[in-house]
Amino acid sequence: GDSVTQMEGPVTLSEEAFLTINCTYTATGYPSLFWYVQYPGEGLQLLLKATKADDKGSNKGFEATYRKETTSFHLEKGSVQVSDSAVYFCALSPANQAGTALIFGKGTTLSVSS
Amino acid sequence: GAVVSQHPSRVICKSGTSVKIECRSLDFQATTMFWYRQFPKKSLMLMATSNEGSKATYEQGVEKDKFLINHASLTLSTLTVTSAHPEDSSFYICSARPLGRGSGANVLTFGAGSRLTVL
Repeated sequence: GDSVTQMEGPVTLSEEAFLTINCTYTATGYPSLFWYVQYPGEGLQLLLKATKADDKGSNKGFEATYRKETTSFHLEKGSVQVSDSAVYFCALSPANQAGTALIFGKGTTLSVSS
Repeated sequence: GAVVSQHPSRVICKSGTSVKIECRSLDFQATTMFWYRQFPKKSLMLMATSNEGSKATYEQGVEKDKFLINHASLTLSTLTVTSAHPEDSSFYICSARPLGRGSGANVLTFGAGSRLTVL
């Protein structure tokens, strides 16, 4: 079945460092891909998404490009801030399966220090 | 934007009692809501899919008699943890998919979660 694999954390960075969190997926067809963020004690918030190959999702300085050839959707940010400290989840919505739940990776904890 | 409200955000109960968690879509209708359980090491486990007007579909290994799900309307789903035990202590998160088609229907909106502690 479909699955998502994220890099293991935690990721610890200094403020203004470059961030990459790797995400690869296994799926049939063209799933939709998402990054969600969870701040401490809160639920998940959609960070960005891409629905077809070569799409780039972006929000709050974060970017991720849907790469069909490498089945990847890596999250990047050029300069992280302390406020970016959170858990980041990569997820997919299976192709042609409207109404099904998202499939999540295990999450990557990001800790940014000043 | 779409907002999902979850209540209560925190609940502490005694072992053997039942706890009800509500999930409401505030500004949109959702024929489908999903209940997840988040374990201490972050991973999200899908517990069940809740469909308005019909029985919930439970994932393998999830006890349907213990985790009762009711989707009474297009804006409300409830999860009742019956006869709770300490091992049921967890963070429960609901999510809702907007009614309709289009790329927006692929996006889930999540509630803020409910922290259950069973003593």
